[in-house]
Amino acid sequence: AQSVTQLDSQVPVFEEAPVELRCNYSSSVSVYLFWYVQYPNQGLQLLLKYLSGSTLVKGINGFEAEFNKSQTSFHLRKPSVHISDTAEYFCAVTPPNAGGTSYGKLTFGQGTILTVHP
Amino acid sequence: GAVVSQHPSRVICKSGTSVKIECRSLDFQATTMFWYRQFPKQSLMLMATSNEGSKATYEQGVEKDKFLINHASLTLSTLTVTSAHPEDSSFYICSARDPTSRGDTEAFFGQGTRLTVV
Repeated sequence: AQSVTQLDSQVPVFEEAPVELRCNYSSSVSVYLFWYVQYPNQGLQLLLKYLSGSTLVKGINGFEAEFNKSQTSFHLRKPSVHISDTAEYFCAVTPPNAGGTSYGKLTFGQGTILTVHP
Repeated sequence: GAVVSQHPSRVICKSGTSVKIECRSLDFQATTMFWYRQFPKQSLMLMATSNEGSKATYEQGVEKDKFLINHASLTLSTLTVTSAHPEDSSFYICSARDPTSRGDTEAFFGQGTRLTVV
């Protein structure tokens, strides 16, 4: 079983400031990690994912995340945020794709609401 | 990228009636689909996994007789909330993947359906 903890439920920040949204996970097996963004009353948009290889992953809209296996973390960062980044962000994990149908069953964190102020 | 269309985006129904939500993969064959539920200010919780041509697998605590899932084709899965009650009001969202795809590393999400039972 896996679990995901997003340490901050809300993060307020001023425009053009850097931001880090924290995510820690727990799993007895290796996992793939994802960050999604959700705008109000909309579905989820994938920001980035870590499957293997380089621990620094770059995604869309200038976001990046670093996988730290020893700390079981996958924190999301952006060096300079915009008003349009205001949304809720979800960290999620799934076991690796081993060819079965269970891959893709995501376990989500509680979400972090990022509010960017002018 | 792969597109998943969910319909309707919003629905209001009377208590005791049934509501059907459709999830379609528009440009790929989704042999596996997932249904999630998101209560206000909470994270997404997996309800069930549906595989084309077979019965859905429900997560613990999800009533399979209340949440009927049909995945009769490679591009369509439906979730029917039967005898809906106000406590079923929630945001329902589906995701889909194609396990046969060589590039299968993520599930793609629909736009979600906001169900309000009055």
